[in-house]
Amino acid sequence: KQEVTQIPAALSVPEGENLVLNCSFTDSAIYNLQWFRQDPGKGLTSLLLIQSSQREQTSGRLNASLDKSSGRSTLYIAASQPGDSATYLCAGTQSFQKLVFGTGTRLLVSP
Amino acid sequence: NAGVTQTPKFQVLKTGQSMTLQCAQDMNHEYMSWYRQDPGMGLRLIHYSVGAGITDQGEVPNGYNVSRSTTEDFPLRLLSAAPSQTSVYFCASRPLDPNTGELFFGEGSRLTVL
Repeated sequence: KQEVTQIPAALSVPEGENLVLNCSFTDSAIYNLQWFRQDPGKGLTSLLLIQSSQREQTSGRLNASLDKSSGRSTLYIAASQPGDSATYLCAGTQSFQKLVFGTGTRLLVSP
Repeated sequence: NAGVTQTPKFQVLKTGQSMTLQCAQDMNHEYMSWYRQDPGMGLRLIHYSVGAGITDQGEVPNGYNVSRSTTEDFPLRLLSAAPSQTSVYFCASRPLDPNTGELFFGEGSRLTVL
C-alpha cells in the first residue's frame, strides 16, 4: 500500500528565506506527482503537476522535483512571503486513477 | 468561473439520518472523486468516477454511495450517518488522463454527526 510522508510537519521561517519541503513515497510506481496548497477552511489549490515523463516543474517562485527511483519529491519556495503561509500537500497518482496524499507541511512565514 | 461547486458547506446530522452531499463541475471533466479529510489522517479517497455511469471504490467507501448520471454531477450519499463520518468532505475533478491536467477541488463540506 502506498504511503506518502511529508517532513517537516510544521515549519516557521522569517520572510525572505528560501525553503524546501520534502515528500517521500514508499511505492515508486506512481504515475505523476502533484503539490497542493490549502488555506485554513478552504479547499486545495494545485500548485505544480510533475508528469510521468518529467523530473521537475517550475511556476514563479516555486520549483518541484521528482525522483521516482528514490521515492522523493521536493518543493522549493524561493524568497518566501507571509502570503505563502498555508499547508502544503503532496500527492502521487497511483494506479492511474487514485491519488494518495501526504499529511502535509504547515508553513508559517513571519514578516 | 464556477469550477467545482459543493453544497452544503456545513451540515449537522443525528446518528442514523441520511443525506446527500452535492458536487457539480462545469469544466466537462470525465474524472470526479470524493475525499474526506480528517486531522492526522490526510485526505482519503472515498469513491471516484471516470465518466457517466461508471463509479468505483476508493480507500474508505463503507457507508457511502455514489452515482454518476451526468458528466457534471457526482453526489455522495450517506445512508445512515455515524459519528465516525464527522469530517470535511471534498469533491475534485480533472480530465480523464491525469497527465493532461491537475485536480480541481471544491471548497469542502463540513459534516458533523451527533
